[in-house]
Amino acid sequence: GAVVSQHPSRVICKSGTSVKIECRSLDFQATTMFWYRQFPKQSLMLMATSNEGSKATYEQGVEKDKFLINHASLTLSTLTVTSAHPEDSSFYICSASAPDGPGQFFGPGTRLTVL
Amino acid sequence: AQSVTQPDIHITVSEGASLELRCNYSYGATPYLFWYVQSPGQGLQLLLKYFSGDTLVQGIKGFEAEFKRSQSSFNLRKPSVHWSDAAEYFCAVAPNQAGTALIFGKGTTLSVSS
Repeated sequence: GAVVSQHPSRVICKSGTSVKIECRSLDFQATTMFWYRQFPKQSLMLMATSNEGSKATYEQGVEKDKFLINHASLTLSTLTVTSAHPEDSSFYICSASAPDGPGQFFGPGTRLTVL
Repeated sequence: AQSVTQPDIHITVSEGASLELRCNYSYGATPYLFWYVQSPGQGLQLLLKYFSGDTLVQGIKGFEAEFKRSQSSFNLRKPSVHWSDAAEYFCAVAPNQAGTALIFGKGTTLSVSS
């Protein structure tokens, strides 16, 4: 089956620093990737939709200058949390569109803790 | 607007007992339907999906789900629960086109008692 990886799996950073999270589709090409955020004991909230070679589409309420998304190739999308603050601490999950139709394959998630 | 409702926030089932997790959706046409499972601190694993055809869908780990158009439901079932099934379960829908995001329900936490 299709595999999506995320790196790092866990990151702790100081307030004010920037953190980059990578999402890779390992054995297929993903025209579209998605970034979700999940708070403890809650569901996934879509942050943005990332299409290869074009600007990401952000959901209402998500600051595009805060959460920079780059989808430079068909196998890699990155999310950069700029000037991170403790309220940005969360579980970030990416997914990639299935190559053969609807549905998505999810990465294992990245736990971000901002001190 | 599309939405997914999982009425049960938390369910506890005895090991070996049967399980049914409820999911209702709101969508103008027949959506694509999914069930995912998430263990603590982990990503999401696809259990099964429904696109069209047979309304009873078989998935991994002994799970199945039945699409009922008249009830706008896609309930997940398992005849005999194992302790390892304890996790968070999410129902999701997607419009019938590729490249669109999933809409998730709020999830149901399954606890398994011995």
